[in-house]
Amino acid sequence: DTEVTQTPKHLVMGMTNKKSLKCEQHMGHRAMYWYKQKAKKPPELMFVYSYEKLSINESVPSRFSPECPNSSLLNLHLHALQPEDSALYLCASSQQVGGSAYNEQFFGPGTRLTVL
Amino acid sequence: RKEVEQDPGPFNVPEGATVAFNCTYSNSASQSFFWYRQDCRKEPKLLMSVYSSGNEDGRFTAQLNRASQYISLLIRDSKLSDSATYLCVVKGGYNFNKFYFGSGTKLNVKP
Repeated sequence: DTEVTQTPKHLVMGMTNKKSLKCEQHMGHRAMYWYKQKAKKPPELMFVYSYEKLSINESVPSRFSPECPNSSLLNLHLHALQPEDSALYLCASSQQVGGSAYNEQFFGPGTRLTVL
Repeated sequence: RKEVEQDPGPFNVPEGATVAFNCTYSNSASQSFFWYRQDCRKEPKLLMSVYSSGNEDGRFTAQLNRASQYISLLIRDSKLSDSATYLCVVKGGYNFNKFYFGSGTKLNVKP
């Protein structure tokens, strides 16, 4: 089973709202990722968690706040977003971070976010 | 210089054609290599990993040339359902924790 699930599928929020995106995997993967993808562009890395600790923050604005409650779950808390933050938010996981193994990355279906 | 470079296309080919995509990467320390397929408004899906010896999966053949830092994907007997964007992805190199994405190559297979 190579499934990563994400909820919600779609989210519309105002600039003053607080919302959260959720991601779950049951593959025993120890690395989890948040990406942002705009139309006709490749995914852009936001955060990497390795063994439930934040290992990479790609200088993401603080209005995006990641959280990894356990090895299967990854959240992205959103607050005071801007219209330009509207995008597809993708969660991914891979078996481990680093090392010499191939460690393919598997993506969830994404949350399509619209900020009004 | 971008970590991974691909021709954005689009490649417009008839059904049954053979089409090849190429990709170059900038860091010789890169560790692992992949092709992903992404349909419009969907998530990227792993098509195949690319190994040094080359590998084949049905109509798809991937090759890696570490000396030239070059990856290729060959699709034989194209189907309408192959229409998608193909992303070249490289892991490691500048940061061994990261996956680096090419900009994607758009393929349109026409009847």
